[in-house]
Amino acid sequence: GAVVSQHPSRVICKSGTSVKIECRSLDFQATTMFWYRQFPKKSLMLMATSNEGSKATYEQGVEKDKFLINHASLTLSTLTVTSAHPEDSSFYICSARDSQRAANTGELFFGEGSRLTVL
Amino acid sequence: AQSVAQPEDQVNVAEGNPLTVKCTYSVSGNPYLFWYVQYPNRGLQFLLKYITGDNLVKGSYGFEAEFNKSQTSFHLKKPSALVSDSALYFCAVRDPYNFNKFYFGSGTKLNVKP
Repeated sequence: GAVVSQHPSRVICKSGTSVKIECRSLDFQATTMFWYRQFPKKSLMLMATSNEGSKATYEQGVEKDKFLINHASLTLSTLTVTSAHPEDSSFYICSARDSQRAANTGELFFGEGSRLTVL
Repeated sequence: AQSVAQPEDQVNVAEGNPLTVKCTYSVSGNPYLFWYVQYPNRGLQFLLKYITGDNLVKGSYGFEAEFNKSQTSFHLKKPSALVSDSALYFCAVRDPYNFNKFYFGSGTKLNVKP
């Protein structure tokens, strides 16, 4: 089956620093990837849609300058949390859709998530 | 607007008993419905989907779901629960007008007791 690899799985950083999270599709091409944020005991909140070779599309209320997204290749998207603060602590999950499959029927494949803790 | 509702925060069932995790949806257009499972500190794993065709959909790990158009429901079921099925389950619907958008339910925690 399709595999999405997300790294790092856990990261602890100091307030004010930046953290980069990588999301890779290992055995398929993904022109589109998605970044979600999940709060404890809550559902997933879509933050942005990452498009290969173009700018990401952010959901309303998500700061573009705070959550930088880069999708430089068909298999890699990165999320950089800039000038992180404790309120950015969360579980971040990426997902991808196989570009070779029909857009309306293909399911999303999810990474294992990244637990960010900002001290 | 598209939405999904999971009315139960938690479902408790004894091992070996059948389980049902409920999901209802509201979609303008054809519904594309999905079930995912999440184990602690992990990403979501795809279980099954309904796109069209047979209302009873079979998926991974012995799970199945029944699409009911009149009741706008897509309940997840399994004939005999295992302790290892204990996890968080999410129902999701794809936006029929924007295939990149998924709407997730609030999640249902399934507890299977030995």
